[in-house]
Amino acid sequence: GIQVEQSPPDLILQEGANSTLRCNFSDSVNNLQWFHQNPWGQLINLFYIPSGTKQNGRLSATTVATERYSLLYISSSQTTDSGVYFCAVEGQGGSEKLVFGKGTKLTVNP
Amino acid sequence: DTAVSQTPKYLVTQMGNDKSIKCEQNLGHDTMYWYKQDSKKFLKIMFSYNNKELIINETVPNRFSPKSPDKAHLNLHINSLELGDSAVYFCASSLRHADTQYFGPGTRLTVL
Repeated sequence: GIQVEQSPPDLILQEGANSTLRCNFSDSVNNLQWFHQNPWGQLINLFYIPSGTKQNGRLSATTVATERYSLLYISSSQTTDSGVYFCAVEGQGGSEKLVFGKGTKLTVNP
Repeated sequence: DTAVSQTPKYLVTQMGNDKSIKCEQNLGHDTMYWYKQDSKKFLKIMFSYNNKELIINETVPNRFSPKSPDKAHLNLHINSLELGDSAVYFCASSLRHADTQYFGPGTRLTVL
């Protein structure tokens, strides 16, 4: 099945810093989503982005499907951005399921 | 207004017991899912239903049985609970398959 690798596994920032999280995947995808799991465990969908670029406030994401990677950019980070960021993909092979990466744990210090 | 809700939020039980987790979505979505998140935060799909029909059934012990009485509800029943079943179980829904998924708050199951 499709493999998903996220990097870095851990990231510590000072408030106000920018960061880039990466998601590599091993096959062509129909579906790619980014999620944020906050410290209380809630999973929030950030982007549905199988290709192209999207922006939502301080967050933006780019997926280069032909090169099998996606990037999540966080600008001017805030302490509320802390948590785990997951990339999840569905391969074009018709598996009909999202496969999650292991996540990037982000800590933003005040 | 809660979009995807789960009950209970916490469940502590003894090995060998049978328990159920309920999920409801008020988004009018056609597809619902159950995920398991283990102690290392790894998320894995267990089941998916589309319009009350089972479409994904991962390699899950048959002690786990999902039931979808209608499009808005997907329940998970677990028989003969084992220590290894301890995890957080998330329900999710999407408008249709391969669409944006919205997650419930999770149910933390602890088996003693």
